Amino acid sequence: QQQVKQSPQSLIVQKGGISIINCAYENTAFDYFPWYQQFPGKGPALLIAIRPDVSEKKEGRFTISFNKSAKQFSLHIMDSQPGDSATYFCAAKDSGTYKYIFGTGTRLKVLA
Amino acid sequence: DAGVTQSPTHLIKTRGQHVTLRCSPISGHKSVSWYQQVLGQGPQFIFQYYEKEERGRGNFPDRFSARQFPNYSSELNVNALLLGDSALYLCASSLGAGSYEQYFGPGTRLTVT
Repeated sequence: QQQVKQSPQSLIVQKGGISIINCAYENTAFDYFPWYQQFPGKGPALLIAIRPDVSEKKEGRFTISFNKSAKQFSLHIMDSQPGDSATYFCAAKDSGTYKYIFGTGTRLKVLA
Repeated sequence: DAGVTQSPTHLIKTRGQHVTLRCSPISGHKSVSWYQQVLGQGPQFIFQYYEKEERGRGNFPDRFSARQFPNYSSELNVNALLLGDSALYLCASSLGAGSYEQYFGPGTRLTVT
């Protein structure tokens, strides 16, 4: 089954708080898991990505946690800022191809 | 360095018409992928080209076709447009050859009336 389920659909966080977005997948042949940030009218921008042999990756305020046995991965945004307000997509790459399956997106709003 | 560029930015077509969308990848990138993003949804994979050959195809009808040129730029063609083809069409480029990072362009907004 080539699906990536993303939750929540929308999220409101206070400035300085932690934003957490979760994704789950079923296809064990996925071998690369990126997160993208998209502002209205723009293309998705690559934020951070992880491979399944790593359980956590941190870049600045963004952290991916990866649980291979549970087939779940999540994005944590620390010290959330109003400028982080955007739609976030998780994705998974099909092994041996460049086909990416995207989640349905999470609309994040950070209140000032 | 210039990122992925796409043209045109916006396009309005009538049902039954044909459309050609263009994409130039990041300099040095040899792989181009096309995605369709309907409002409120995640991008859906259409095609991937690497070294001018089709390397992947999503679940889209034969009305959709693409090609990659010797300079690695790419065109997406859609024939016999339907209202449901209205979407943001995104091009993404990557180095290819084992490098998985994929960078998206700003997209072409297609409206079919």
